[in-house]
Amino acid sequence: EVQLVESGGGLVKPGGSLRLSCTASGFTFSTYSMNWVRQAPGQGLEWVSSISSVSSYIYYADSVKGRFTISRDNAKNSLYLQMNSLRAEDTAVYYCAREGGWYEYWGQGTLVTVSS
Amino acid sequence: EIVMTQSPATLSVSPGERATLSCRASQSISSNLAWYQQKPGQAPRLLIYGASTRATGIPARFSGSGSGTEFSLTISSLQSEDFAVYYCQQYHKWPYTFGQGTRLEIK
Repeated sequence: EVQLVESGGGLVKPGGSLRLSCTASGFTFSTYSMNWVRQAPGQGLEWVSSISSVSSYIYYADSVKGRFTISRDNAKNSLYLQMNSLRAEDTAVYYCAREGGWYEYWGQGTLVTVSS
Repeated sequence: EIVMTQSPATLSVSPGERATLSCRASQSISSNLAWYQQKPGQAPRLLIYGASTRATGIPARFSGSGSGTEFSLTISSLQSEDFAVYYCQQYHKWPYTFGQGTRLEIK
């Protein structure tokens, strides 16, 4: 059974940093691109970042470029999102998702709240 | 960036009836379109990819159609568990983008 479990969310002040993790199981992690997708409270879905299977290709949404860094450790079946210079508008549930173009598997999400 | 526009924003339909949701792309995306269902407090669930292929375990009452810029998701006979928010997503070109969602509510 495919499982994606996010962690690392919480309350952080504007300008602060947070590192999200996503641990994968039930599939060969090293052969799939992985993405972060977020959802602000009461809003729709927004793609944040993507990393290819061996980190050859990395993409970011314009809204987070220069502030967020995606990475992965295939030996640990883990995906990460380092978030710096956080803003109030980054407040959202952050989901990791396995990408094949479409997103077949999603984690349960981790809530990031940016507030003073 | 490809803009995905869903209509209507809210659709009110009675159980047992048919619902059709629309999604339009700002440029051609071939058949590189997926549909998701999301219920409150849950992660999105993949319903359709490739514009018309049902994901594993998705009931046959869900069907997708379209190509190019116009797409639709049809639920043939609404069950109580189908009332939720539905999103389309294009994966033709980066950045991948989602529609703003259609809320399907009980009439």
